[in-house]
Amino acid sequence: NAGVTQTPKFQVLKTGQSMTLQCAQDMNHEYMSWYRQDPGMGLRLIHYSVGAGITDQGEVPNGYNVSRSTTEDFPLRLLSAAPSQTSVYFCASSRAGRWGNQPQHFGDGTRLSIL
Amino acid sequence: GNSVTQMEGPVTLSEEAFLTINCTYTATGYPSLFWYVQYPGEGLQLLLKATKADDKGSNKGFEATYRKETTSFHLEKGSVQVSDSAVYFCALSGPQGGSEKLVFGKGMKLTVNP
Repeated sequence: NAGVTQTPKFQVLKTGQSMTLQCAQDMNHEYMSWYRQDPGMGLRLIHYSVGAGITDQGEVPNGYNVSRSTTEDFPLRLLSAAPSQTSVYFCASSRAGRWGNQPQHFGDGTRLSIL
Repeated sequence: GNSVTQMEGPVTLSEEAFLTINCTYTATGYPSLFWYVQYPGEGLQLLLKATKADDKGSNKGFEATYRKETTSFHLEKGSVQVSDSAVYFCALSGPQGGSEKLVFGKGMKLTVNP
């Protein structure tokens, strides 16, 4: 019972490099989201998707790109890494629910350091 | 917009102590409310939820009641254990946004000593 799987678990990048954080879910959930977790800030929404082919920006989208070509996968791309993007990144998925009443299921996170 | 304010800690308790973590929210209408827990090195897990006023969510000895009149969703446990050491997040979703857009509090780190 895999749930939400994120890869890699750890990554170190140099400023200006690009990379893709992978996220896959096997629960057939319609909704998927990316958050970043920073000390003292809680989790902040980067991008989200309500279905294949549909994405939208969250609270902190700058410097990130997403696409959703299948229900299962929702990769997050860093276009040109900056030290301010050093963070722990979480992917989450949920069923579509009325008035937001469905809980999100989270992956174990990717710890990303930008030098 | 929607927002969540919660106790930030860190808090250290002795085993079997009573725990309260305050959480208040700002939202129009009736959002859904959640408590998530994050154990060291892991992702977030749903602890409990409530989706309408006066609902009580409960799980693993933890409880929280959705209070519309005070816009609160305080988390309580009567007797904490060492295994409850974790970071606790209060969160909301809806009613304008769906469950794809959670708004989180900043989290509170709890340490329980034997």
